[in-house]
Amino acid sequence: NAGVMQNPRHLVRRRGQEARLRCSPMKGHSHVYWYRQLPEEGLKFMVYLQKENIIDESGMPKERFSAEFPKEGPSILRIQQVVRGDSAAYFCASSPPGRGESPLHFGNGTRLTVT
Amino acid sequence: RKEVEQDPGPFNVPEGATVAFNCTYSNSASQSFFWYRQDCRKEPKLLMSVYSSGNEDGRFTAQLNRASQYISLLIRDSKLSDSATYLCVVSRYGGSQGNLIFGKGTKLSVKP
Repeated sequence: NAGVMQNPRHLVRRRGQEARLRCSPMKGHSHVYWYRQLPEEGLKFMVYLQKENIIDESGMPKERFSAEFPKEGPSILRIQQVVRGDSAAYFCASSPPGRGESPLHFGNGTRLTVT
Repeated sequence: RKEVEQDPGPFNVPEGATVAFNCTYSNSASQSFFWYRQDCRKEPKLLMSVYSSGNEDGRFTAQLNRASQYISLLIRDSKLSDSATYLCVVSRYGGSQGNLIFGKGTKLSVKP
């Protein structure tokens, strides 16, 4: 019973390139959440998705960032034209369907380094 | 006032000590509360949910005071393996629904 799977674990991009981060939720989970953790900072909510729907993107920067969770395949967090300030750990989490107070199960993260 | 504020760390304690972490939150609409633990360069992992009546899980006890918007975590008989950063987590909206507010964390170091 695999947990939340993220890849790649480490990603290095030069300024101006694109970064694509992938997240496969736990089996049976249809809700995906992306969080970002800057060095020495707490985790910050970015976006909450269900299959083919963005439910809450209140934490997403207005430009260069986008997220999707297609009907088939993993959720993708895409960062265009990366800048040094995008260097961070990006964590994905999932939860089962339905409302409730389910805690989140996080993947082991993608560490993005922008050079 | 920050949305979630935690004790500044680090806490350096000997094995066997009892240590308490405090946390305050600003959003009175929050309904879900958790403590997560995060090891260095790893993902956060749920330690325990926090309920109004208080709850205990082995050496760990969590308390919630809604009137004061205050959450605590008590660790008894500290082990070396308890060394980690402890994150106070609060839901932004009524239920959890994934939009959680994380504190910056309090670092605990348990020494032999």
